[in-house]
Amino acid sequence: DAKTTQPPSMDCAEGRAANLPCNHSTISGNEYVYWYRQIHSQGPQYIIHGLKNNETNEMASLIITEDRKSSTLILPHATLRDTAVYYCIVPNAGGTSYGKLTFGQGTILTVHP
Amino acid sequence: EAQVTQNPRYLITVTGKKLTVTCSQNMNHEYMSWYRQDPGLGLRQIYYSMNVEVTDKGDVPEGYKVSRKEKRNFPLILESPSPNQTSLYFCASTLTGGRSPLHFGNGTRLTVT
Repeated sequence: DAKTTQPPSMDCAEGRAANLPCNHSTISGNEYVYWYRQIHSQGPQYIIHGLKNNETNEMASLIITEDRKSSTLILPHATLRDTAVYYCIVPNAGGTSYGKLTFGQGTILTVHP
Repeated sequence: EAQVTQNPRYLITVTGKKLTVTCSQNMNHEYMSWYRQDPGLGLRQIYYSMNVEVTDKGDVPEGYKVSRKEKRNFPLILESPSPNQTSLYFCASTLTGGRSPLHFGNGTRLTVT
């Protein structure tokens, strides 16, 4: 699976947009980008995923650059409950997809009042 | 309700006493995997399974065993637990193909004294 790089931490004011970047420069053409978050010691929670086009759901938006080498997760109106560790991963979408999978340490997002 | 169920949630044991942490999913997922999480080290994959009777090592397999005799279950076995295996463990499952998100269990906090 493609390696991802994320900043270790970010801050955001409550009510403002949180933009979390992820670099995945070794991504190949058929690999999806997935975002998860983990609050305290709970199991990671799926947020959103995409291949080429930008995606939006009730939780967030995902912007993928045209060359697909990086993406940004956007929480449009961050709340205190969005304080969590955010992981960007790229599992291999080929025949051996979701094999060995590396999560990395993610980005600790702190939303403050 | 679609879910991944881990048991037990908390376990305290002594060095050398064999233990099994169970993981079961009700979504007919082919792929299942185990992770451990330690402070400052993120989620590290222990073992994964692409389907019944197919298992492979992740990044930190030493000291662990797994089996996949049926699709829904993927137990993690510690034959001779040691204190360095004290950790928070997560099981996850998904469909293969890289186009579906991982579903995580609620975690098992293991303490080995």
